[in-house]
Amino acid sequence: GENVEQHPSTLSVQEGDSAVIKCTYSDSASNYFPWYKQELGKRPQLIIDIRSNVGEKKDQRIAVTLNKTAKHFSLHITETQPEDSAVYFCAASSFQGAQKLVFGQGTRLTINP
Amino acid sequence: DGGITQSPKYLFRKEGQNVTLSCEQNLNHDAMYWYRQDPGQGLRLIYYSQIVNDFQKGDIAEGYSVSREKKESFPLTVTSAQKNPTAFYLCASSTSGIFTDTQYFGPGTRLTVL
Repeated sequence: GENVEQHPSTLSVQEGDSAVIKCTYSDSASNYFPWYKQELGKRPQLIIDIRSNVGEKKDQRIAVTLNKTAKHFSLHITETQPEDSAVYFCAASSFQGAQKLVFGQGTRLTINP
Repeated sequence: DGGITQSPKYLFRKEGQNVTLSCEQNLNHDAMYWYRQDPGQGLRLIYYSQIVNDFQKGDIAEGYSVSREKKESFPLTVTSAQKNPTAFYLCASSTSGIFTDTQYFGPGTRLTVL
């Protein structure tokens, strides 16, 4: 089955700087890669996702890049703001069979003012 | 995701008791899911249902049971067989049962065993 590894587990950046979170996956059939943001005690919320026919996707200050050859994908947040502080989860899934959505362990991002 | 509700928000259980967590959605989604979240870990799939009257075990189904009698509802029962039930439980739904459809989460239920 699929295995998703996420790094780093914690990340602290200065306000205004960029943050990058990386995930690797094991199943080459995976072709759907969402990123979720979870504030303390709240529900995970989808912030961006990418499918395997696209190498990069942007939404304002957030971007995701995908390297299918290396089987890794990354979340990039530019011009970070205090409200970006949260736990971020990556996940991977596939159209084939009954491939479940498998989550990484999460990254706690702290934006320092 | 505002169309998914979970109740209660907090639940306390004595050892040996069964408890049922509620999940309701008004998004007309076919598929619903239950995840468990422990501190410092990602979400792990307990059960999922791709259609009414059908459900499948996820990765950590032991000690849990579900039913899907209505499209809008997918309750989770944590039985006394679950040895370490203290966790944050999240329900989700998606348009269809294809796992590459976006999943939307409910607000969660925090279960504590006393």
